[in-house]
Amino acid sequence: GAVVSQHPSRVICKSGTSVKIECRSLDFQATTMFWYRQFPKQSLMLMATSNEGSKATYEQGVEKDKFLINHASLTLSTLTVTSAHPEDSSFYICSASARGGTEAFFGQGTRLTVV
Amino acid sequence: GENVEQHPSTLSVQEGDSAVIKCTYSDSASNYFPWYKQELGKGPQLIIDIRSNVGEKKDQRIAVTLNKTAKHFSLHITETQPEDSAVYFCAASPGGYQKVTFGTGTKLQVIP
Repeated sequence: GAVVSQHPSRVICKSGTSVKIECRSLDFQATTMFWYRQFPKQSLMLMATSNEGSKATYEQGVEKDKFLINHASLTLSTLTVTSAHPEDSSFYICSASARGGTEAFFGQGTRLTVV
Repeated sequence: GENVEQHPSTLSVQEGDSAVIKCTYSDSASNYFPWYKQELGKGPQLIIDIRSNVGEKKDQRIAVTLNKTAKHFSLHITETQPEDSAVYFCAASPGGYQKVTFGTGTKLQVIP
């Protein structure tokens, strides 16, 4: 299957700082990328959907000014957690779909810890 | 929106036995139902999927069944092995392939 790579796999940052997570489709053009958040022992909750070249669509309850999503190219989407707080600590996962594709491919996830 | 329920939340089986995980969904427009295996600290990995025009699909020791009328779908793992131990998520997607709603997950433990 297609490969989606996330970077970094783990990051620790201080409260009040911002952190950027990258999601790359390595061998296909991802017209749509999805960002999920997963708390320990819980399911994946969709945060936002981004289409290349347009603004992301955020799910209800997700602060768009706090979780900035950019999908500037067909192979890269970024999630920036701004002014991070300990409650933002979580496992963030991206997935990507190609135009006309029938499945989404997931990255390996990023463990964010805010101290 | 779509709501996917999954049972059981935990499942322990002896090696070699079968494991069954069941899900229900609410949106009759959903037509794509993937199953994912997630190991600790990793992203979900697609293990099998089924589309609404098919009632059953099998891939080696893994099979999935779908009852669109009842809005039920199930994952069956036969001859379980310790490496099958993981968290399994069912999911449903309306409109083909895009937005995926996940179930609550099942932690499967295969006891050697």
